[in-house]
Amino acid sequence: EVQLVQSGAEVKKPGESLKISCKNSGYTLSNYWVAWVRQMPGRGLEWMGIIYLDGSNIRYSPSFQGQVTITADRSISTVYLQWNSLKASDTAMYYCARHVRDGDNERKLDSWGQGTLVTVSS
Amino acid sequence: QSVLTQPPSASGTPGQTITISCSGNTSNIGTNTVNWYRQLPGTAPKLLIYSNNERPSGVPDRFSGSKSGTSASLAISGLQSEDEADYYCAAWDDSLNGLWVFGGGTKLTVL
Repeated sequence: EVQLVQSGAEVKKPGESLKISCKNSGYTLSNYWVAWVRQMPGRGLEWMGIIYLDGSNIRYSPSFQGQVTITADRSISTVYLQWNSLKASDTAMYYCARHVRDGDNERKLDSWGQGTLVTVSS
Repeated sequence: QSVLTQPPSASGTPGQTITISCSGNTSNIGTNTVNWYRQLPGTAPKLLIYSNNERPSGVPDRFSGSKSGTSASLAISGLQSEDEADYYCAAWDDSLNGLWVFGGGTKLTVL
């Protein structure tokens, strides 16, 4: 069974750094990407970026480029999302999701983590 | 402002059929397949429809999807109270070296 298990909720102060994780299991990791998706309170889904699980290829949404860093540790099948200096506006639920490409024009985010709630408040 | 456009709300009564629309452009829906996600309160989104009209294992055939040009639709027949949730459409967009785009979500209320 494909599983993406995320790290627990975090409460941080503005200016602090943070790294949250997403551990993948139940599938062969090669040829898969993992995406990060933000959901601010009461709002919709926003794609942040995507990483190939060997860490060799990373793409960011223009909205998040330079604001976060996505990395991967293939040896433990884990993907990370990192902030160097949090802002109150980073308060949101963050989801990781497995990106699957079934064909030239067929892609899906088929399995999702349970979410990590990040609260940034002074 | 989401790249894909959905109505913010929809409603229906038990047993009814409702549809939710999703509008995009040539770089996303016009070129790539559409997925639909259901998000129950307090839970992660769950894949409901992929490749425009395919249902993952376990999703009832009351849920169906379609696509035409740069628009897509999700239909839910035999509406049930447990269908009350937020529904999102999503597609890969070929602009800017590729990125996922989502609709703003449609909150379905079962009256």
